[in-house]
Amino acid sequence: GAVVSQHPSRVICKSGTSVKIECRSLDFQATTMFWYRQFPKKSLMLMATSNEGSKATYEQGVEKDKFLINHASLTLSTLTVTSAHPEDSSFYICSARDLLGASNSPLHFGNGTRLTVT
Amino acid sequence: AQKITQTQPGMFVQEKEAVTLDCTYDTSDPSYGLFWYKQPSSGEMIFLIYQGSYDQQNATEGRYSLNFQKARKSANLVISASQLGDSAMYFCAWGYAGNNRKLIWGLGTSLAVNP
Repeated sequence: GAVVSQHPSRVICKSGTSVKIECRSLDFQATTMFWYRQFPKKSLMLMATSNEGSKATYEQGVEKDKFLINHASLTLSTLTVTSAHPEDSSFYICSARDLLGASNSPLHFGNGTRLTVT
Repeated sequence: AQKITQTQPGMFVQEKEAVTLDCTYDTSDPSYGLFWYKQPSSGEMIFLIYQGSYDQQNATEGRYSLNFQKARKSANLVISASQLGDSAMYFCAWGYAGNNRKLIWGLGTSLAVNP
């Protein structure tokens, strides 16, 4: 089945530093990947839609300069949390859909990244 | 705007029994899809089942089935013969059919299976 690999699974960083999270589709191509943020016991909050070869589309209230997204190839999207602060601590999870998938094909998710900013 | 509602924040079920998790949605679009995902405590999102708005029959995948009532705009997930490993968060999501899969998510239901 379709696999999405997300790294790192956990990261602890100091306030003010930047952290890069990678999302790779291992056995399919994806022109679009989605980045979500999830608070404990809460639903997924869509942060942005990552578009291969073009700028990401950010949801309202999400700072573009703080959460940098790059989608340089059909199999890789990265999310960089810049100048991280403790309030950025959260669970970040990416998802992708097979470019060649049928209309009923689901989103495939990475295993998520738990970010802790100290 | 589209909206997904999961009215059960938490549910308990006895092992080997069936359980129904509720999901209702609000849309005026005729063509859409509904998804159910499972999220264990480890965090990964696991796709369970899909129902298209034009599908004539309710979707089934192993122990999972979807009770789709289009007129009522409900898409309840039924888990038969519950297992301890079914304990997790369950999310219902709505999306346009054929879309790039920008989904609208419900708040989730936490299911606990008791031995």
